Amino acid sequence: GAVVSQHPSRVICKSGTSVKIECRSLDFQATTMFWYRQFPKQSLMLMATSNEGSKATYEQGVEKDKFLINHASLTLSTLTVTSAHPEDSSFYICSAGDYSDSHNEQFFGPGTRLTVL
Amino acid sequence: AQSVTQPDIHITVSEGASLELRCNYSYGATPYLFWYVQSPGQGLQLLLKYFSGDTLVQGIKGFEAEFKRSQSSFNLRKPSVHWSDAAEYFCAVGAFYNQGGKLIFGQGTELSVKP
Repeated sequence: GAVVSQHPSRVICKSGTSVKIECRSLDFQATTMFWYRQFPKQSLMLMATSNEGSKATYEQGVEKDKFLINHASLTLSTLTVTSAHPEDSSFYICSAGDYSDSHNEQFFGPGTRLTVL
Repeated sequence: AQSVTQPDIHITVSEGASLELRCNYSYGATPYLFWYVQSPGQGLQLLLKYFSGDTLVQGIKGFEAEFKRSQSSFNLRKPSVHWSDAAEYFCAVGAFYNQGGKLIFGQGTELSVKP
């Protein structure tokens, strides 16, 4: 299947700093990528849908100025957590949509564990 | 409202026993249904998906699921569980890509396997 990578896999930062997480589709072009947040022992909550070349669409309750999403190319989307606080600590997972005839599904990255001190 | 319900938060089965994980959904349009598995600290791996056609779908690792429209269910089954199947399982319902492709996930079911 298609491969999606995330970098970094784990990051620890101080409160007030910004953190950028990269999501790359390695062997296919993804016009649409998704960003999810997962708290321990809980499900994935969709934060936003990222479309290449246009502004991201945020889910209700997600602060777009805090979680900046950029989808500058067909293989890369970035999530920047600005002025991070301890409550932003979480597991962030991206996915990339491969809607070619052979797949027609989302492929998920391995996730990024963010810890804000 | 669109939602997915996995009634069982945690299930424990003995190795070699059969398994059924339940999933019920509420969705306004034609549902596209998925089962994913997540190992601790990892991303999600697709087990199987249903878009249309035969309501019994086969997936990887010996899993299968049956779509029952009348019951709004998409239960996951495996005839004989292996210790390596211990993980978190998520059911999801979504829109087709030309409708945004968004997925809604259930709460997840944690599977433990006894030796």
